[in-house]
Parts: sequence; structure tokens; C-alpha cells
Amino acid sequence: QKEVEQNSGPLSVPEGAIASLNCTYSDRGSQSFFWYRQYSGKSPELIMFIYSNGDKEDGRFTAQLNKASQYVSLLIRDSQPSDSATYLCAVNMFSLGGAQKLVFGQGTRLTINP
Amino acid sequence: EAGVVQSPRYKIIEKKQPVAFWCNPISGHNTLYWYLQNLGQGPELLIRYENEEAVDDSQLPKDRFSAERLKGVDSTLKIQPAELGDSAVYLCASSTGQKETQYFGPGTRLLVL
Repeated sequence: QKEVEQNSGPLSVPEGAIASLNCTYSDRGSQSFFWYRQYSGKSPELIMFIYSNGDKEDGRFTAQLNKASQYVSLLIRDSQPSDSATYLCAVNMFSLGGAQKLVFGQGTRLTINP
Repeated sequence: EAGVVQSPRYKIIEKKQPVAFWCNPISGHNTLYWYLQNLGQGPELLIRYENEEAVDDSQLPKDRFSAERLKGVDSTLKIQPAELGDSAVYLCASSTGQKETQYFGPGTRLLVL
């Protein structure tokens, strides 16, 4: 089992609809969770982070966290063609010795169709 | 505020040749990371520095990869000798601490022929 799992997609959503991206993780002790967006040929850029169970909203983006289910999601409302990118879920996990390490999923490729 | 700077942006070398990548983190960021990203995959951590100390290099293939951050600011990552399988994007990131948000540089795209 991968430490952080995402559906690689591609996920195709019509413009103006809600895009829903999902991520599961293996380490129950994880405390911080991040969503990065990566355009083709570019580096990852942070969209949101979430630490507490529940929802966190920022503009058109909402991150949802359920630690009991080890599940984190990202919702994008009113999807725009400019949202077309790969979305990476990243989870801070404890490695040997107690240090924390950011572990990424493989990313979900999202396409917004005009 | 300037972001993470990396150079070169692209590098093409023949196998068995050495190659080096350079990274300048965001000012004031004590923690620096080198990641490897293969096509269609998420970044994978190679090494993490806290100031000049390499505190997590468990994923660094030490037979051919080396890294340094001598003065606790800039860092270099070296591969010697390079293999075909090393073709990937090498990303540098920095943060104010290991639990804090990481900011990525533009990456170096390496092609080994």
C-alpha cells in the first residue's frame, strides 16, 4: 500500500462545475496535509493546507479532512479552464527517528472542459 | 520576496558523466530539501537540511549522489556518474521548519543520454 494514494485520472470536469479530488493516507499519526497544484512543465505550488478535521475554505477551494477515515479531499467550485493541472496531495509523516517527512501522492490530472 | 532559485533549468548529459545542480532557498528559510520527480509521479524526498546539517538523507543513493550546504544557505546536489535512469526533474524546496509549508523552485530537468 502506498503511503499517499490518489487517483491518477485524468479527471474531466465541465467548466463551472465542481471538481472533487481525493486522497487517502496510511499514517494515522499524520497531522498536516497539503494540496499542491502543478502545471505541466512547472514546479508544484501550494494551494491549501489543513490541520484540523472538517472543512477549510479559501476562495473557490475547499479542503476537507477526516482523520478517522484517513481521507483528505479538495473541492474546486466554479471550475475554470485555468484550473487544468495536476493536483498533488502531500502528507507530513513521521519517519524513523521521529523526524517528519512530506510524502506526496502521484497526483491527479484534472482537465476543465470549456 | 524572491522565491527558490535553481540552476540550471535544463541539462543534457551523456551517461557516466557528472552533473551538479544548484539551489538558493528563500531568504530566512533554514530548511532545504532536494526532491526527485519522475514523469507522472509526485516528488520524492532525497535529502533534507536543517541549516548546514543533513538531517534526513535516507533516500539519497549515496553510491552516486552527494549533496552539500556548506554555509547553511545555498546547496548543491551532484550525481557522479549519471545513469540513464537518473533522467527526471530535480526540485529544490525550502521552508522555515520541517513542519512548515514548503516552497518549490522551478526545478532542473535532467536528461541522460
